Amino acid sequence: EAQVTQNPRYLITVTGKKLTVTCSQNMNHEYMSWYRQDPGLGLRQIYYSMNVEVTDKGDVPEGYKVSRKEKRNFPLILESPSPNQTSLYFCASSSNRVWANEKLFFGSGTQLSVL
Amino acid sequence: SQQGEEDPQALSIQEGENATMNCSYKTSINNLQWYRQNSGRGLVHLILIRSNEREKHSGRLRVTLDTSKKSSSLLITASRAADTASYFCAASGGSYIPTFGRGTSLIVHP
Repeated sequence: EAQVTQNPRYLITVTGKKLTVTCSQNMNHEYMSWYRQDPGLGLRQIYYSMNVEVTDKGDVPEGYKVSRKEKRNFPLILESPSPNQTSLYFCASSSNRVWANEKLFFGSGTQLSVL
Repeated sequence: SQQGEEDPQALSIQEGENATMNCSYKTSINNLQWYRQNSGRGLVHLILIRSNEREKHSGRLRVTLDTSKKSSSLLITASRAADTASYFCAASGGSYIPTFGRGTSLIVHP
């Protein structure tokens, strides 16, 4: 089954404790992206990757890191989480070949609370 | 910056009525997509319309695109309680990277 798998689904942590949210897709997609969703602000893009070893900042990259060492995985790293990073996070992927089926496939989300 | 902006923010209707949501965007696009999100879950793709298309249908969904007005609309006909969700548009420009709006929250009362 084609899917994007995010883990964990829920995470409670304390300020400053490094954490990683994993994301994996099984569709051989080139494009992967991380979003955060906050009430009234919709989805805002954190980082994206057009292919292996190619990453770029989205609209709200401060406080986050990503890596794309393999095509299927795109982890989101919070080196020193702060309370303002409490949010619902989504990973998504798609084929980025022009005129291909560019629709995004989303993971189930990670609800992060930073105390 | 958010390319797509939905209107209204919230919509409440009775089962059987039609629901119309609008999306405006700022710069020229290659395609525009609509997504649905059930409470707290991942977004699910509904329909994609390309810049050279004016209208597209999928089941009870009808999407229109007016590039001169930089706007799109999503019509859900004969709404059902199960259509209750948030709906987002995502516009893709030259980079083909979709940018989402804040969404429209639709409530369909049985």
